[in-house]
This record gives sequence, structure tokens and C-alpha cells, in this order.
Amino acid sequence: DADVTQTPRNRITKTGKRIMLECSQTKGHDRMYWYRQDPGLGLRLIYYSFDVKDINKGEISDGYSVSRQAQAKFSLSLESAIPNQTALYFCATSDSTEKNTEAFFGQGTRLTVV
Amino acid sequence: LAKTTQPISMDSYEGQEVNITCSHNNIATNDYITWYQQFPSQGPRFIIQGYKTKVTNEVASLFIPADRKSSTLSLPRVSLSDTAVYYCLVGAVRTYKYIFGTGTRLKVLA
Repeated sequence: DADVTQTPRNRITKTGKRIMLECSQTKGHDRMYWYRQDPGLGLRLIYYSFDVKDINKGEISDGYSVSRQAQAKFSLSLESAIPNQTALYFCATSDSTEKNTEAFFGQGTRLTVV
Repeated sequence: LAKTTQPISMDSYEGQEVNITCSHNNIATNDYITWYQQFPSQGPRFIIQGYKTKVTNEVASLFIPADRKSSTLSLPRVSLSDTAVYYCLVGAVRTYKYIFGTGTRLKVLA
């Protein structure tokens, strides 16, 4: 099983619908992140959480919200999906206690808003 | 967070050594330099991290000059499977937010 699991892997939804992307991790890390990636571009940080009680906006948080239900779970919600939120979404985790700040990424969720 | 600048793309041939340089002129004292690799439709994967001088692991070397305003990722004897996008990130452990730039798209030719 993957250390960082995203569900669903693919999703097509209609404009205006609410959708939730879920991320769970078995690495025991305290930090979790959500990114989006548009074709041919780098990853952009949406939200990040350094522990269960800590939620921070990233570079592009408008139109998104998150919930850190537990140390191992971090969900991303699109309250009212719009077509320009069509993208590949990645969840990541890292451990703040290690000097090496390696981040571990999930397999990605391909979201299409029609 | 320190801003990074990398070449947009590079081509190389199989078996050659590839060096990708990243500029980070406003790097802070506590910042580390980290490189990630990303294949299409996959999440980025950690390659190497360093603070100063030279770091080497089983897949790459990272060269950091004394002023730390740039760094060079060196991939020895690349193969077709090294075709990917390579990202340079700079940040401190305590506040690490993993801000990715546009990366360098490396294409390895046969």
C-alpha cells in the first residue's frame, strides 16, 4: 500500500457542485500539503497544515477549503467547482522532526470540472 | 522564501552527465536546498538535499558554492528514464512550505 493515498484518483464533476478530495498517510508525519498542477506548469501550493490544529493558506487558496480531521487525514474541498479548477491535485506529507525535509507525494487526483 | 531560477528546458543524450543549475540569490542562513524529480502524471520525488559544499547519493550529486547563491544538480550518465522535470526548492526546515517553481524539463535522447 502507498504511504500517501489520495481518493478518488479521477473525478469528473459539474460546475457548481461541491467536491471533496481526500488524502491519508501512514508515515506518521505531522505536516500535510495540498497542491494543484496545471498542464506544463509546476506545482502550486493551495493549503498546508503543520499539525492537526494548524491550517495555513498557500499560494492559491481562493475557492478551496481544507480539513485536517486527524494527523493522518487532510481533505481538500471545492465548495462550488468551476472549470478553471480542472487540474491534477497532489497531497504531500513531511516530518518536521527530521533535519532532512523530504516530502512524500500521493499518486494524484485528476479532477475535471465540466 | 528564497526565489529560485532554473533553465526551462535542457536536452541531453544517453550516457552523458547532465548539470542543472539553480540560482537562489536571496537564500537565508537557515535555508536548505532540495531537488525533486517529477515524471508525467506522478507526484514529485525527492532526489537530494544539501546545505553547503557537496552532497552525493546513489542517484545524483549536489554542488553548492561557498556563497550558496546557486546550486548544481549533477546526474551522471543519464538514461532515457531520466527524462523528467527537475525542481529546485529552497527553504528552512521550521517553515518549509515546499514552494515549487516551473522546474527544468530534461529530455534525454537516444
